[in-house]
Amino acid sequence: DIQMTQSPSSLSASIGDRVTLTCRASQDISHYLAWFQQKPGKAPKSLIFGASSLPSGVPSKFSGSGSGTDFTLTISSLQPEDFGTYYCQQYKSYPYTFGQGTKLEI
Amino acid sequence: EVQLVESGGGLVQPGGSLRLSCAASGFTFTHYDMHWVRQSTGGRLEWVSAIDTAGDTYYPGSVKGRFIISRGGADNSLYLQMNNLRADDTAAYYCARFRSSGNMDVWGQGTTVIVAS
Repeated sequence: DIQMTQSPSSLSASIGDRVTLTCRASQDISHYLAWFQQKPGKAPKSLIFGASSLPSGVPSKFSGSGSGTDFTLTISSLQPEDFGTYYCQQYKSYPYTFGQGTKLEI
Repeated sequence: EVQLVESGGGLVQPGGSLRLSCAASGFTFTHYDMHWVRQSTGGRLEWVSAIDTAGDTYYPGSVKGRFIISRGGADNSLYLQMNNLRADDTAAYYCARFRSSGNMDVWGQGTTVIVAS
């Protein structure tokens, strides 16, 4: 199985900051990487797919990059609504696997 | 409105069975791969199963041989039959739509399964 490792596990940032979250795959997954945002008591929400594509309705303050084994999610100009936990997921091959998450505190 | 609504969760004893349902509305259900994802109380997300548009099914080793994913016929529903349940199956279970682009774009609100004696 492909292992996904996220760093850091938690991050504290201020309003207006730009933050970068990292996700590393244990083997080459090309661009088959998604990012999700989750808030307490809610289902995950799709932020990025294909490593860098934004679903309709996701603000451009979110951006993803990377390919192969190393990926990043960047959030610019942090706002209070951006708090939550962020997960990466690979869908290069079954079983699909998630990272352990990065908890972002404002 | 595109929507997924899960049901069927509850308390079950170790070794027992449970069937989860996911009712889809607002889109042509048969055109999409559908997935189940669970989240333990510790917060970790785990992909549980998938069924593609051809009806092929996929599972991780942790549930293979115990869980069965299926689609309803005309009722636009997704199912997860869970057998021989264990304490580590305790989690919130979500169904999700998976687009061919790779976007797992629609999720249900989740249904909670607790396996305990």
